[in-house]
Amino acid sequence: AQSVTQLGSHVSVSEGALVLLRCNYSSSVPPYLFWYVQYPNQGLQLLLKYTTGATLVKGINGFEAEFKKSETSFHLTKPSAHMSDAAEYFCAVRDNNNDMRFGAGTRLTVKP
Amino acid sequence: GAVVSQHPSWVICKSGTSVKIECRSLDFQATTMFWYRQFPKQSLMLMATSNEGSKATYEQGVEKDKFLINHASLTLSTLTVTSAHPEDSSFYICSAEGPGSPGANVLTFGAGSRLTVL
Repeated sequence: AQSVTQLGSHVSVSEGALVLLRCNYSSSVPPYLFWYVQYPNQGLQLLLKYTTGATLVKGINGFEAEFKKSETSFHLTKPSAHMSDAAEYFCAVRDNNNDMRFGAGTRLTVKP
Repeated sequence: GAVVSQHPSWVICKSGTSVKIECRSLDFQATTMFWYRQFPKQSLMLMATSNEGSKATYEQGVEKDKFLINHASLTLSTLTVTSAHPEDSSFYICSAEGPGSPGANVLTFGAGSRLTVL
């Protein structure tokens, strides 16, 4: 069964700084990979996804992620953090069994 | 775009009572719906998967008789927490997919329902 590991339960950056949220996965088959964002007391909003094709995926709000099969990673980045980016971010993996599994989440704090 | 609505967003109930949470796909046919439970500052834990017209498939450790899931139509699934106790207090989130979803393998999530059992 697949699993997802998010390194760092809490990441703090200054406004304007680079955002890097790490995600590693384990899957016996090529997976589908996702990043979701959750604001307090809300559901999850899809940021971006990787299914097939180009390994660098661009999403909403200036975020992007790169699928690196050799490293089994799918790290999320944004060149310049904005205060509105403060939220909880979840990496998720889905395989052919259709089960979607989530990482533990990373809380992003943006300092002014 | 695809929208999933959950109702109620907040509910408080007394211990021993039952609570029903609805999950509706507003603009697409939800052939499959998923129910998750999220504890404070933790990730989402899959509780069950339901296909329209079929019995739900529960994850290991989830009590079927306590968390009743019904998916009788292509736009509605319900989760009923029966004989609720304080330990059932949590944030419950549904997601859905089907024809009209925003891409293959993409789930659309509801806004969640916070249950507090007194």
